[in-house]
Amino acid sequence: GQQLNQSPQSMFIQEGEDVSMNCTSSSIFNTWLWYKQDPGEGPVLLIALYKAGELTSNGRLTAQFGITRKDSFLNISASIPSDVGIYFCAGLGINAGGTSYGKLTFGQGTILTVHP
Amino acid sequence: DSGVTQTPKHLITATGQRVTLRCSPRSGDLSVYWYQQSLDQGLQFLIQYYNGEERAKGNILERFSAQQFPDLHSELNLSSLELGDSALYFCASSPLPRPEQFFGPGTRLTVL
Repeated sequence: GQQLNQSPQSMFIQEGEDVSMNCTSSSIFNTWLWYKQDPGEGPVLLIALYKAGELTSNGRLTAQFGITRKDSFLNISASIPSDVGIYFCAGLGINAGGTSYGKLTFGQGTILTVHP
Repeated sequence: DSGVTQTPKHLITATGQRVTLRCSPRSGDLSVYWYQQSLDQGLQFLIQYYNGEERAKGNILERFSAQQFPDLHSELNLSSLELGDSALYFCASSPLPRPEQFFGPGTRLTVL
């Protein structure tokens, strides 16, 4: 089945530093989504990517949909303490007929710690 | 606040029991998804419903079942519970055909 490899697993950074994380897959995805999850809460959607090569920003966050449709990247610039949390990539797959269906496949998550 | 609501927030029960988790999607969203999040398995897709009909199925155990009602709320039924079923269970909804999924706050299930 489809699997996503997300890296790094964890990051410890100083406030103000930039952060990069990525996801790679052996399968093609039609859509890439990036979520942030705080402890005990549900994942919150940060950015959605719909086309190969697409680059999208949301404030200090920038994400890209890889050209091969098998990878995606998330960058956070000038990190602040409230950026702490777990970041997940998620890919929306396609069925045998080539159309999207609802199953999101999630990466293992990147735990981000920001030191003031 | 995503607009997706889930009840209860916490559930503690014993092995062998049956529980029902409830989800109300965002206003206007016809599609509901259920996910299980455990420490060793991460976030795993269980099942999707669209306007009352099952649309996609993940690795959902036979002991688990779900349904979506005419008012679009959904219930996930877990029976013959085992210790390994302890996890966070999330419901998400989406405004299909747009693919973004919005998650509820989750139900934390503890099986003792």
